[in-house]
Amino acid sequence: ETGVTQSPTHLIKTRGQQVTLRCSSQSGHNTVSWYQQALGQGPQFIFQYYREEENGRGNFPPRFSGLQFPNYSSELNVNALELDDSALYLCASRHRDSNYGYTFGSGTRLTVV
Amino acid sequence: AQKVTQAQTEISVVEKEDVTLDCVYETRDTTYYLFWYKQPPSGELVFLIRRNSFDEQNEISGRYSWNFQKSTSSFNFTITASQVVDSAVYFCALSEAGNYGQNFVFGPGTRLSVLP
Repeated sequence: ETGVTQSPTHLIKTRGQQVTLRCSSQSGHNTVSWYQQALGQGPQFIFQYYREEENGRGNFPPRFSGLQFPNYSSELNVNALELDDSALYLCASRHRDSNYGYTFGSGTRLTVV
Repeated sequence: AQKVTQAQTEISVVEKEDVTLDCVYETRDTTYYLFWYKQPPSGELVFLIRRNSFDEQNEISGRYSWNFQKSTSSFNFTITASQVVDSAVYFCALSEAGNYGQNFVFGPGTRLSVLP
């Protein structure tokens, strides 16, 4: 298993800009979740995709959106960036045959200035 | 609403000491799952254990042990004979059974520093 890979590892954006974060999961991982982890806090659930459809969302505004692709990769898009969007963004995926085994990536550290 | 509390923000111990990380949760669900994750400086969350709400047996895995007490809504984690490599942030998390693993509610984490 190669794990869950996120890119880029670090990113600096200006307030108001848009950003796309990427996650590459292992074959067969048809469920992917995204989390936002502010400094010194626990991760907070943004949304989840299952078989390329969003099937759950946390308390995040619509400017946070996502996509999941047939090749088990996914994207998190954030529009109109705000300073408070600065955080570590974590991707987690689960194999179709697993009943609980989410694998987390190392995250993308986004800084909004 | 679901909530996870980890009252210890930071803990420092000397190598070989035992240390217990506390976790208290709130949920209205009768069926749910509890987890512990470790987050080393590299950032990824490393799965340590899952426990469902019907299984109150304590579990031991090497130097790690977990004490689940439904009566007090606690799921505490003990590291025996701590090592420097145990230094990390540890998160307790709760997940509804209906949306299995879909929406983890994480606690704020406890930063453990094990000094040589």
